[in-house]
Amino acid sequence: ETGVTQTPRHLVMGMTNKKSLKCEQHLGHNAMYWYKQSAKKPLELMFVYNFKEQTENNSVPSRFSPECPNSSHLFLHLHTLQPEDSALYLCASSPQTGQTNNEQFFGPGTRLTVL
Amino acid sequence: GQSLEQPSEVTAVEGAIVQINCTYQTSGFYGLSWYQQHDGGAPTFLSYNALDGLEETGRFSSFLSRSDSYGYLLLQELQMKDSASYFCAVRDFEDSGAGSYQLTFGKGTKLSVIP
Repeated sequence: ETGVTQTPRHLVMGMTNKKSLKCEQHLGHNAMYWYKQSAKKPLELMFVYNFKEQTENNSVPSRFSPECPNSSHLFLHLHTLQPEDSALYLCASSPQTGQTNNEQFFGPGTRLTVL
Repeated sequence: GQSLEQPSEVTAVEGAIVQINCTYQTSGFYGLSWYQQHDGGAPTFLSYNALDGLEETGRFSSFLSRSDSYGYLLLQELQMKDSASYFCAVRDFEDSGAGSYQLTFGKGTKLSVIP
C-alpha cells in the first residue's frame, strides 16, 4: 500500500456516458497528479495540482476535467470519451511540486475501457 | 522537449545481475529517477540521482553520468519477484504558470527473471 487509493479500479463506459475517477491520498502531501498509461507508451502527465491550485495542464482534451477540492482528494471527470482514451489512469501525490527530490507515490490506477 | 530511451525488454536468470540503461535528451535536468511497476500494480519509487555517481540501496543500485546524459539501474542477486517493468524518469522544471518540478517517463523496460 502506497497511501494513495483510487476508485473505481475498473470502469467500462460508452462514449456518451459521464463518469468520474476518484483519488485520495493519506500521506499529508500537497501535490497531486493525473497520468495516463497506455500500452507501449510512456506514462503521460495530464494534470498537476499543488496546494489545490492547478499548475499544469499538458494539452489534455477538454473531455477530461480535473477537480481538486482539497489537498487529499483529486477527481477526473470524464465525458464524451473516445475509444482511444481507453488506458490505465494513475493518480500520484508528492509533498509538493517545488522540491527537486520530488518522489511521487502512485495509486493502483483505474483501468478505463471506452466502448 | 524531453525524450528517454531504454530497452523494451530484458530477460535474465535468477541470481544473476542485470543492468537497465537509460539515455535522455532534455531541455532541463534536475535528476534521474527509477520506478518499478509490477503487472496490474502501481509504479513505486526505487531511486533518485541528482549528481554523477552510483547510489546503492540493497540489491539495487543506480548510476548517473550527466555529461553523457546516461544512467542505469543495476539489479543484483535477481529474484523471481523482480520481474516487473522498470521506468527511468527525468526530473525537470516546468516554469510556466506557478512552476513545478515534474517527471517525464521513459517507455519502460520489461524485465523477466527466469529460473
